Amino acid sequence: EDQVTQSPEALRLQEGESSSLNCSYTVSGLRGLFWYRQDPGKGPEFLFTLYSAGEEKEKERLKATLTKKESFLHITAPKPEDSATYLCAVQGANFGNEKLTFGTGTRLTIIP
Amino acid sequence: DAGVIQSPRHEVTEMGQEVTLRCKPISGHDYLFWYRQTMMRGLELLIYFNNNVPIDDSGMPEDRFSAKMPNASFSTLKIQPSEPRDSAVYFCASSFPMNTQYFGPGTRLTVL
Repeated sequence: EDQVTQSPEALRLQEGESSSLNCSYTVSGLRGLFWYRQDPGKGPEFLFTLYSAGEEKEKERLKATLTKKESFLHITAPKPEDSATYLCAVQGANFGNEKLTFGTGTRLTIIP
Repeated sequence: DAGVIQSPRHEVTEMGQEVTLRCKPISGHDYLFWYRQTMMRGLELLIYFNNNVPIDDSGMPEDRFSAKMPNASFSTLKIQPSEPRDSAVYFCASSFPMNTQYFGPGTRLTVL
């Protein structure tokens, strides 16, 4: 069974204070690892997909990286608008599998 | 595109009543997913469809839950009878095959 563990559960940072969120996973063959952002009262919003170890993707102040066991979401010089819950999910490579298994998320708060 | 559309956005009902949640996927997407999100368990997949056919319903918690997709542009998730422990936010998502899932805004269900 695929499993995803995210840490920390919550993180408070001062504006401009860089940090990283962790996503550890176990999956029988990885098709893709996904990062989503979720604002209160809204649905998850897609950020990145990573497919293989060593891959990196960037969007504004966010950079996602992937190893064979974990992924990191690095946040550089965050702003208050980066405050949200960040969700990580994995999709196994089983034929025909379209299921995503999500972690419980990291709630990020950026203090002005 | 308008994105995934869900209705109602909020539903308050009494224990024992029937509840029907509705979803319109993004036009052209082959896959439709129903998720439930709670504080304790995070985001969990309930069921998903491919070309209107249910593929995996292993996440449906009990026989009280049922889902249908009568055509490519509409799906329902029904709970009958509802119980207080069904209170959660229910999300619908859609995607192309082997591609990113896009989420709707969710329906917040409260069962009194």
